[in-house]
Amino acid sequence: DTAVSQTPKYLVTQMGNDKSIKCEQNLGHDTMYWYKQDSKKFLKIMFSYNNKELIINETVPNRFSPKSPDKAHLNLHINSLELGDSAVYFCASSHPPGEKQYFGPGTRLTVT
Amino acid sequence: GQNIDQPTEMTATEGAIVQINCTYQTSGFNGLFWYQQHAGEAPTFLSYNVLDGLEEKGRFSSFLSRSKGYSYLLLKELQMKDSASYLCAVRGSGSARQLTFGSGTQLTVLP
Repeated sequence: DTAVSQTPKYLVTQMGNDKSIKCEQNLGHDTMYWYKQDSKKFLKIMFSYNNKELIINETVPNRFSPKSPDKAHLNLHINSLELGDSAVYFCASSHPPGEKQYFGPGTRLTVT
Repeated sequence: GQNIDQPTEMTATEGAIVQINCTYQTSGFNGLFWYQQHAGEAPTFLSYNVLDGLEEKGRFSSFLSRSKGYSYLLLKELQMKDSASYLCAVRGSGSARQLTFGSGTQLTVLP
């Protein structure tokens, strides 16, 4: 059974488009995260939700909007995509916040 | 804020021992994690230290000195499959207990 899953795995799109990435976890965790890993492999936190409440909101352009419909799901919507948004986006979960995190397989976003 | 330093690359030979260092300067500290990330894959948890000292888990051990802002990951009996990036991450002391990752150390194990 996949613990943390993300869709899609690959996403190629043009500048200016709007896209969404979905994440689901079946571990029963209360806390979920979105990370961005750039070409230099630097993994940076973007958002975190605990029990559907936003608890981490780093300095991210407001074109990025997370949504957590329930504890098992955390989606990321990106408006007006830019070249600099090209990266691998990882979803993760833990219980409670800040404990050992389980990462999804990542979504490789390429903006052309 | 957090500042975390790790060597960018290291090379070692199969069967050898390698030590990957991590130094940090933080405004609040509440634990340090090590993750392993193979190319094209997700990071996976290796170890966790919150108190000073050595934590051993099979071939992998991690050490922490809070007073020195220093940790290391020790890998023994290196295998080819240990070739990966090793990420040091510091947990902050805020209510969200946010992790800040270092840029990772790319370890190459040679035959």
